[in-house]
Formats: sequence, C-alpha cells, structure tokens
Amino acid sequence: KAGVTQTPRYLIKTRGQQVTLSCSPISGHRSVSWYQQTPGQGLQFLFEYFSETQRNKGNFPGRFSGRQFSNSRSEMNVSTLELGDSALYLCASSVIAGVYEQYFGPGTRLTVT
Amino acid sequence: ELKVEQNPLFLSMQEGKNYTIYCNYSTTSDRLYWYRQDPGKSLESLFVLLSNGAVKQEGRLMASLDTKARLSTLHITAAVHDLSATYFCAVDSGGSNYKLTFGKGTLLTVNP
Repeated sequence: KAGVTQTPRYLIKTRGQQVTLSCSPISGHRSVSWYQQTPGQGLQFLFEYFSETQRNKGNFPGRFSGRQFSNSRSEMNVSTLELGDSALYLCASSVIAGVYEQYFGPGTRLTVT
Repeated sequence: ELKVEQNPLFLSMQEGKNYTIYCNYSTTSDRLYWYRQDPGKSLESLFVLLSNGAVKQEGRLMASLDTKARLSTLHITAAVHDLSATYFCAVDSGGSNYKLTFGKGTLLTVNP
C-alpha cells in the first residue's frame, strides 16, 4: 500500500507571498492532519480534516488554512508568508476505526526568504 | 491544555548500554505514541500504546504506559549506533480527536 505523499517536497518563497501544499493520504484513510515542525517550537498541530470538514484546529493565525476534497486529499494554504513560517510541514493520515495511529508523509520543507 | 514533557532532551550513550526516556503528560489520556525521526526525514511510528499497563517491544526498544501516573517510558537495551535519532512521544486528546500533542523530542546519540 502506498504511503502518505506530499508535494512539493521543497519550496522557497518570498515574504508576503502565499503557498499551497498538498497531501494525499493512504488509500482508505479519511482523516488528514497537518503539523508544523520548527527547531524552536517543535511539532505543532495545525488542523485536522475528516470528510471534507475541519474537525480540529491548532493555535495558528488565520493565514493558515486548509481544505479536504472528496477523495480525502488535502491542501493547506499559508497566505502573506512571514520568515517564521519557514518549517517542515508534515501531513499525517489515519483510519477512523480501530487503532488511531497516524502515518506521516515525508513533509514539505518551506523556506521563506 | 494538554502538555507533554520528555526527558532527557539530549542523550549520549555508549554502545551496549541501557537507558530510559521518560514522557510525562498533563491530562488524562490513554493513547500514547512513540515516533522516531532521522535527520531531515519524516516521523516513523514505533509504538502505539492504548491502555494502562500496555507494554510493547520491538528489537532493542520497549515502551510502556502508566495512565494513572500519566507516564510512558521508552527503554533502550544494549544500544547500537543505528538507534541514533530523535525520539518523540505524542499524546492525543481522546475521543475522536486526532490532535496529537508532541513532546520536544529526545536526541539520542549512540557512540561506539
């Protein structure tokens, strides 16, 4: 079974621009979560989607948004990029029944200059 | 707000030695996860602990969960260099909430 895929893997943007990251979950997984990882703040939860609905949201400004499509693929968008948004963005997918384990994708490394 | 504390944050070990990483969390939860991360890589799931007293072992790693003490441990037996990585514990907030709160991670270096 293919794992979680994220595109692009690396991205360089300029302050003030916006960016969209994409995540395709494992086949059959309906929940997709996003996390930001930085050296200073560690791993922080951004949001979680299930059946195209955002069920949970972390403590991030409104510049961070996301959505999920009917095929469970998810995108996250960051508008008006700031230098502090430079991070590894990780997507994880889960099944609903049984073990609530999250499987992480390889991440997108975003650098804001 | 759920808080997860790991210690130590840095651990330098000699090959062949044993050590334990501790993970304390602040609110009731019976779902705890251990992940491994190699430099520049994503998170690899190691263990899923879903009940009080759960113990799981894989190779030289053994994880346990004490929900009453809100404590999980990751024990390393006879460390080898290949175990060098950052280890994270994470706790989810319960119910159908898939929000994971992570500890800051333990950077493990195993020296020959």
